[in-house]
Amino acid sequence: DGGITQSPKYLFRKEGQNVTLSCEQNLNHDAMYWYRQDPGQGLRLIYYSQIVNDFQKGDIAEGYSVSREKKESFPLTVTSAQKNPTAFYLCASSSTGANVLTFGAGSRLTVL
Amino acid sequence: AQSVSQHNHHVILSEAASLELGCNYSYGGTVNLFWYVQYPGQHLQLLLKYFSGDPLVKGIKGFEAEFIKSKFSFNLRKPSVQWSDTAEYFCAVGIGSGNTGKLIFGQGTTLQVKP
Repeated sequence: DGGITQSPKYLFRKEGQNVTLSCEQNLNHDAMYWYRQDPGQGLRLIYYSQIVNDFQKGDIAEGYSVSREKKESFPLTVTSAQKNPTAFYLCASSSTGANVLTFGAGSRLTVL
Repeated sequence: AQSVSQHNHHVILSEAASLELGCNYSYGGTVNLFWYVQYPGQHLQLLLKYFSGDPLVKGIKGFEAEFIKSKFSFNLRKPSVQWSDTAEYFCAVGIGSGNTGKLIFGQGTTLQVKP
């Protein structure tokens, strides 16, 4: 089945540590996105990439980094500079010329 | 800055009741409009979308939404809810005519349907 796989599903991190969330898609979509979901705030865009080796900051990029070396993969690193990293992170993708998003199951990060 | 506002944060209904969830956005230009739903333990998935044409759009599971341009609104409706409609609902707006996939989401509405 085509879709988006995010891992890990749950992750615990100590303060001061970087952590990388994986996102892989087999939908042959060109564009990929990372959103952060917090209760009562909906989804906010962190980073997005419309093509391999290119990505742009979203609304809340500070403290995060991404790479897009392969079409299928768009990992997100939550750095120690992110002041409030505990959240639910959603990866999504879309095909060229369409802004209908397909979402992964999400990764829940808790900073201890 | 563009924003999307969902009027109700938490809605509780009995089965067979009618549902209307409000969504307003702040942008005067071309928009694409979406409702996404997140059922408990499942992925966020598309419920329905509006790009152009008939402002009344129908989605999955009997849901529909009406785009009223003059009111900057895209309210979601269902005539008779079921217990299985219990979920979190998100309104989202794509700004401009380009399809970048960058969506602005509302805060979400949690719907609880009592059997």
